[in-house]
Amino acid sequence: DVKVTQSSRYLVKRTGEKVFLECVQDMDHENMFWYRQDPGLGLRLIYFSYDVKMKEKGDIPEGYSVSREKKERFSLILESASTNQTSMYLCASNSGYSNQPQHFGDGTRLSIL
Amino acid sequence: GDSVTQMEGPVTLSEEAFLTINCTYTATGYPSLFWYVQYPGEGLQLLLKATKADDKGSNKGFEATYRKETTSFHLEKGSVQVSDSAVYFCALSDRQAGTALIFGKGTTLSVSS
Repeated sequence: DVKVTQSSRYLVKRTGEKVFLECVQDMDHENMFWYRQDPGLGLRLIYFSYDVKMKEKGDIPEGYSVSREKKERFSLILESASTNQTSMYLCASNSGYSNQPQHFGDGTRLSIL
Repeated sequence: GDSVTQMEGPVTLSEEAFLTINCTYTATGYPSLFWYVQYPGEGLQLLLKATKADDKGSNKGFEATYRKETTSFHLEKGSVQVSDSAVYFCALSDRQAGTALIFGKGTTLSVSS
């Protein structure tokens, strides 16, 4: 079974802090994704990556950056955390074909105080 | 652009009732269609998928048929259980848009005994 592991289930940070969310997958998938999930808005794509050192902006990239130095690891960075970034963050991965499902981690519930 | 529309919730049913959650989509290409389920406190899990017109995806008693003529992918189950209480997401992946998923906003299902 594919395993996507997010480093923290719950995280509390303060406004202005630089925050790192880590995600690791064990299936040698080319593609990795970061979403945020908010009530009434569903899942929205922040960034994705098709390959090591490659990144593409999703629908809501403002205030975020990403890093993919190794194929199995995809990091989401909040450069200067703000309260409107309080949310559930979900990482996913899949192989390089559109008919292949994405496999999700359990999510990180991030609170910015 | 591509989009997914699913029925608003919450949907409240008694155990053994019939379930339908409607999902329609708009896509410029030939999308693959997915239903994901999210149990409380967890990430998303793939429930079923269909990759071409008239395909039927099925899993755990749930079914959905890819209807190109009505651009729909409605989720059905003949007899729901309390353990089916969760949030259900319809999603599409369009080859022309890469492999990032486009999600509906989710439908909360609550089943009581």
